[in-house]
Amino acid sequence: QKEVEQNSGPLSVPEGAIASLNCTYSDRGSQSFFWYRQYSGKSPELIMSIYSNGDKEDGRFTAQLNKASQYVSLLIRDSQPSDSATYLCAVNNFSGGYNKLIFGAGTRLAVHP
Amino acid sequence: DAGITQSPRHKVTETGTPVTLRCHQTENHRYMYWYRQDPGHGLRLIHYSYGVKDTDKGEVSDGYSVSRSKTEDFLLTLESATSSQTSVYFCAILVASEQYFGPGTRLTVT
Repeated sequence: QKEVEQNSGPLSVPEGAIASLNCTYSDRGSQSFFWYRQYSGKSPELIMSIYSNGDKEDGRFTAQLNKASQYVSLLIRDSQPSDSATYLCAVNNFSGGYNKLIFGAGTRLAVHP
Repeated sequence: DAGITQSPRHKVTETGTPVTLRCHQTENHRYMYWYRQDPGHGLRLIHYSYGVKDTDKGEVSDGYSVSRSKTEDFLLTLESATSSQTSVYFCAILVASEQYFGPGTRLTVT
């Protein structure tokens, strides 16, 4: 069973701090990795995708991928109360030749003023 | 929301009744997906489609069927709803290797 693991949280950080969200996955063949943000009662929103080892930055967000350790993380700099949400890690699964994602259960982030 | 709509947005139904949820996209994306989301379980894939009349099962397909007779519509049917199918259902489309989600349908089976 291919799995994606995340700490459920809540992860509580003060406004202006760096929030660090982590995710591990079991399938070494995975090639694509995604972070979604989900506000309560809303649908998941794609915020970052990463395909190769290293860092990828987009505004206040940085995704980090280490395929050898099967680890992907999301850093949020200068955290704002509006960043308070659940963050879902997703990993692609091309089993059977078709494009599917496996999701972690999500980490709840709370940014307090 | 990447041009995806879902209907209905909310539904309450009784155990044993059939229910059909609709996902509609405004563009001609080949891949479409149905997920359910429950507390503590994240998103779990029910069924997916890789073209008109081409569908396959996901990890939690028991009790669900799907149909895709047109590129833009992907229907999810609960043949005989059970209380365990109370959930939030999301449809997604694949755009250039990234999945984008619709607004969701909250289904309650009483």
